[in-house]
Amino acid sequence: RKEVEQDPGPFNVPEGATVAFNCTYSNSASQSFFWYRQDCRKEPKLLMSVYSSGNEDGRFTAQLNRASQYISLLIRDSKLSDSATYLCVVRKTDKLIFGTGTRLQVFP
Amino acid sequence: DTAVSQTPKYLVTQMGNDKSIKCEQNLGHDTMYWYKQDSKKFLKIMFSYNNKELIINETVPNRFSPKSPDKAHLNLHINSLELGDSAVYFCASSQDRDRYEQYFGPGTRLTVT
Repeated sequence: RKEVEQDPGPFNVPEGATVAFNCTYSNSASQSFFWYRQDCRKEPKLLMSVYSSGNEDGRFTAQLNRASQYISLLIRDSKLSDSATYLCVVRKTDKLIFGTGTRLQVFP
Repeated sequence: DTAVSQTPKYLVTQMGNDKSIKCEQNLGHDTMYWYKQDSKKFLKIMFSYNNKELIINETVPNRFSPKSPDKAHLNLHINSLELGDSAVYFCASSQDRDRYEQYFGPGTRLTVT
């Protein structure tokens, strides 16, 4: 079983839609949680950290459920520029463990 | 003003050859990493150096040898290349080993024929 699992998608949504991605992780000792974004043929970039109390950054909301070992990302009012692959990332000791990503395609 | 740079961007080579990929960061970070992203887009850590000292060495064939001449540079040498080595190799850096935000280079797309 992979340490970090995500639905690969693709999620095809119209501009303005709200879309949610989920992620589960297997190691209860995982310390920190993040969402990274990777555009096609580009490098990953940190989108936001995920805190136990839930956190928001503009149109993006991240939530963590430690009991269920589950992380989510909600994107409101989707823009064409949100089209990318969203990587769920878990930190374990010195390492970041990446999920394989969920692809989002926003269409006009 | 590239923060993390890698050369070359593309590398096409034949099985059995030896090749190197270079990485440099101008962010003043202490910690650098090599990742491999395979054809299924799975991004996996290979090595990490903190102030030129190896701190992470995942289960990677010993044909792969990282070298850090100083804390701004982390190179990756690969001996006897195999078809399965074809992937995108990303270099990354973070301020120190405890910082979660890693800054990635643009990647080196390696194709072994």
